[in-house]
Amino acid sequence: GQNIDQPTEMTATEGAIVQINCTYQTSGFNGLFWYQQHAGEAPTFLSYNVLDGLEEKGRFSSFLSRSKGYSYLLLKELQMKDSASYLCAVADSNYQLIWGAGTKLIIKP
Amino acid sequence: DAEITQSPRHKITETGRQVTLACHQTWNHNNMFWYRQDLGHGLRLIHYSYGVHDTNKGEVSDGYSVSRSNTEDLPLTLESAASSQTSVYFCASSDGTGFAGANVLTFGAGSRLTVL
Repeated sequence: GQNIDQPTEMTATEGAIVQINCTYQTSGFNGLFWYQQHAGEAPTFLSYNVLDGLEEKGRFSSFLSRSKGYSYLLLKELQMKDSASYLCAVADSNYQLIWGAGTKLIIKP
Repeated sequence: DAEITQSPRHKITETGRQVTLACHQTWNHNNMFWYRQDLGHGLRLIHYSYGVHDTNKGEVSDGYSVSRSNTEDLPLTLESAASSQTSVYFCASSDGTGFAGANVLTFGAGSRLTVL
């Protein structure tokens, strides 16, 4: 079967760095996507990785290792507004997104 | 500004009733999707469309139907609502261009449906 695993909840301190991991087992791979979802709101696109390595976008970076079926989202200089759920999703062989259940990130002052 | 709107935002209905959730986008996107989101689960795909008159079943399509008569709209119909269909429903669209284009989704604000 297809499976995306990510931690249910993480806590971090304002100004710090946090890494949210995502492991996947899917039938085929056509990209890994990260979305942010604030409570009660819609998901919004953050980043995607197709090739191995690190993609940097301001305070957010995403890493992919296809051989290990592993990705992480790195958030630097955490701000209170970063409190949200972070959704990992993989596009399978049919380019359909398979979604993880999301990681709820709590930022403390 | 282009947008994607869902209505109603909140709906309470009774078991057995037919319910339609509307989704309207002004991005001129070819691809449109309906997902449901439940606690402890990832987003689950209900139906999707890659263009006018094209519709496809997703992972959890039983009890749901869609139709695509124009580019802008993809209404989702629950033929006979069941309590198991209580959920938050998200509509999304994408322009499908580029390698990842099909999966860089723009979501509507969601419709919370309660079936009693």
